[in-house]
Amino acid sequence: AQSVTQLGSHVSVSEGALVLLRCNYSSSVPPYLFWYVQYPNQGLQLLLKYTSAATLVKGINGFEAEFKKSETSFHLTKPSAHMSDAAEYFCAVSERNTGNQFYFGTGTSLTVIP
Amino acid sequence: DSGVTQTPKHLITATGQRVTLRCSPRSGDLSVYWYQQSLDQGLQFLIQYYNGEERAKGNILERFSAQQFPDLHSELNLSSLELGDSALYFCASSGPRGRGGTEAFFGQGTRLTVV
Repeated sequence: AQSVTQLGSHVSVSEGALVLLRCNYSSSVPPYLFWYVQYPNQGLQLLLKYTSAATLVKGINGFEAEFKKSETSFHLTKPSAHMSDAAEYFCAVSERNTGNQFYFGTGTSLTVIP
Repeated sequence: DSGVTQTPKHLITATGQRVTLRCSPRSGDLSVYWYQQSLDQGLQFLIQYYNGEERAKGNILERFSAQQFPDLHSELNLSSLELGDSALYFCASSGPRGRGGTEAFFGQGTRLTVV
């Protein structure tokens, strides 16, 4: 089965600083990859997804992620953090050839310091 | 708005009781997933249905059961409730893979409080 590792359950950055949230997956075949964001008391919202086109994927709210097959990674970045980016972020994978199962990481809580 | 509807939004019940959570997937989506999110356990996959059939099972307790109906809505039944069952329960749906369905769309969740 797939597994997803998110390094760092809590990340703090200053407003305006670079945001880097790490995600590594375990699969010999590149899966579909996703980043979701969850604001307090809300459901998960898709930020961006990788499905085999460009390896650098742009998402909503200025976020982007780069798929690196050699490193089995899909790290999420944003050049300049805003206070509104404070939330929980989940990385997820879905295998290409099996029945739409999704595997989520344990989440990273992002705090933005004014 | 993800298009996934969950009812009720909040539920408070006593230990030992039984509750039913309801989910309406996005129009056209055949897969429904149920997740439990609690502070100490994070986001836990419970079960997946695809077009009425159980497709995958995760960390779902025997006291919990689910089903997907012919109109594709799904219900999650939680019985003999314990204090530790207090959590946010999410439903998500996704489209058929062959028709480009990739990501899962999440509802707003049902917050269950067991007292």
